[in-house]
Amino acid sequence: DIVMTQSPLSLPVTPGEPASISCRSSQSLLHTQGHNFLDWYLQKPGQSPQLLIYLGSNRASGVPDRFSGSGSGTDFTLKITRVEAEDVGVYYCVQTLQTWTFGQGTKMEI
Amino acid sequence: QVQLVESGGGVAQPGRSLRLSCTASGFTSSSYGMHWVRQAPGKGLEWMAVIWYDGSDKYYLDSVKGRFTISRDTSKNTVYLQMNSLRVDDTAVYYCARMRTGYHSGWPYFYFDSWGQGTLVTVSS
Repeated sequence: DIVMTQSPLSLPVTPGEPASISCRSSQSLLHTQGHNFLDWYLQKPGQSPQLLIYLGSNRASGVPDRFSGSGSGTDFTLKITRVEAEDVGVYYCVQTLQTWTFGQGTKMEI
Repeated sequence: QVQLVESGGGVAQPGRSLRLSCTASGFTSSSYGMHWVRQAPGKGLEWMAVIWYDGSDKYYLDSVKGRFTISRDTSKNTVYLQMNSLRVDDTAVYYCARMRTGYHSGWPYFYFDSWGQGTLVTVSS
């Protein structure tokens, strides 16, 4: 199985400030077709996970443009330009190249 | 309204079996792939298994291959997870999740779009 490693695991943030989460995979997630099979989800307190970013850098429908995904191969980053209070929760990266594997999760709190 | 309801959790001794059910409503589950994902106490999410919309393909996390079996009964709009030879480290809340297909530049991608509330499995002697 592909192993996903996120950092940091805990991320204190200040509203209005930027935030960044790193995700590394044990194998390249870059498919020969040119897409990186890496998604980002946010699990808000008391809610189910919701898709934020798919194929490495594409925002899902309805996701604010303060969220962005970047990276390729084995190194990926989720960035929030200006954190809002509603962004708190646990962020997961997920590889979808070979079945599915979640990262450990990054708990973002204000 | 899409709804997924898990059931069948409980307490089991190591080595015993449990069967979890995930009953769907508000949509035709036979049109969607379905996953099982678990979350151990204080831990993150761990993907377990997936069954394709027509049951043609099934995939598992390596550590549960040969012990867990995913199946579905389309007449009951239900997906199952048969868990045999349970171990203490199988203790977790088990969620079912619906798999949606999106397309980007003509390329399909699969994502989780609806989740159940989970059912707790505790494996303890």
